[in-house]
Amino acid sequence: GAVVSQHPSWVICKSGTSVKIECRSLDFQATTMFWYRQFPKQSLMLMATSNEGSKATYEQGVEKDKFLINHASLTLSTLTVTSAHPEDSSFYICSARDSVGGYEQYFGPGTRLTVT
Amino acid sequence: AQRVTQPEKLLSVFKGAPVELKCNYSYSGSPELFWYVQYSRQRLQLLLRHISRESIKGFTADLNKGETSFHLKKPFAQEEDSAMYYCALKGTGANNLFFGTGTRLTVIP
Repeated sequence: GAVVSQHPSWVICKSGTSVKIECRSLDFQATTMFWYRQFPKQSLMLMATSNEGSKATYEQGVEKDKFLINHASLTLSTLTVTSAHPEDSSFYICSARDSVGGYEQYFGPGTRLTVT
Repeated sequence: AQRVTQPEKLLSVFKGAPVELKCNYSYSGSPELFWYVQYSRQRLQLLLRHISRESIKGFTADLNKGETSFHLKKPFAQEEDSAMYYCALKGTGANNLFFGTGTRLTVIP
């Protein structure tokens, strides 16, 4: 089956530093990837839609200059949290949509970010 | 605006009892509805979608457009069904999914 990986699985960083999270589709090509944020015991909130070779589409309220998204290839999208603050601590989950398969989104295992 | 409502954050049932996880939606067009499941320490995965009208792991869900509902049902709950369940909606022509807040199902042995 289709597999999406995320790296790292968890990261701790200091306030003011930047952190990059990678999302890879391992056995399929994904023209579209999605980045979600999940707070404890809450639902997934879509942050942005990442389209290969073009700019990401951000949801309302998400700062595009703070959450930089790059989707340079059909199998890799990255999310960089710039100048991280403690309130950015969260669980970040990516998903990828199979370019050929159509509707289904495959989810990564998530990345736990803690900003101290 | 689209909205997915899962009124129950927590639901506990005894093994062998029927279970129903509620999902109501609000959308002006014709959405696609999905149920996703997240077992403990595992990633989110698709359970079923309304278009396929299939039964997965004994679960079924029928889209009721009149009541704008997509409740997930299983006649006899099993312990391995304990998980977090999310109802999700995809709008017409949209790429992304819009998730409900989720229901944590616990099946008591």
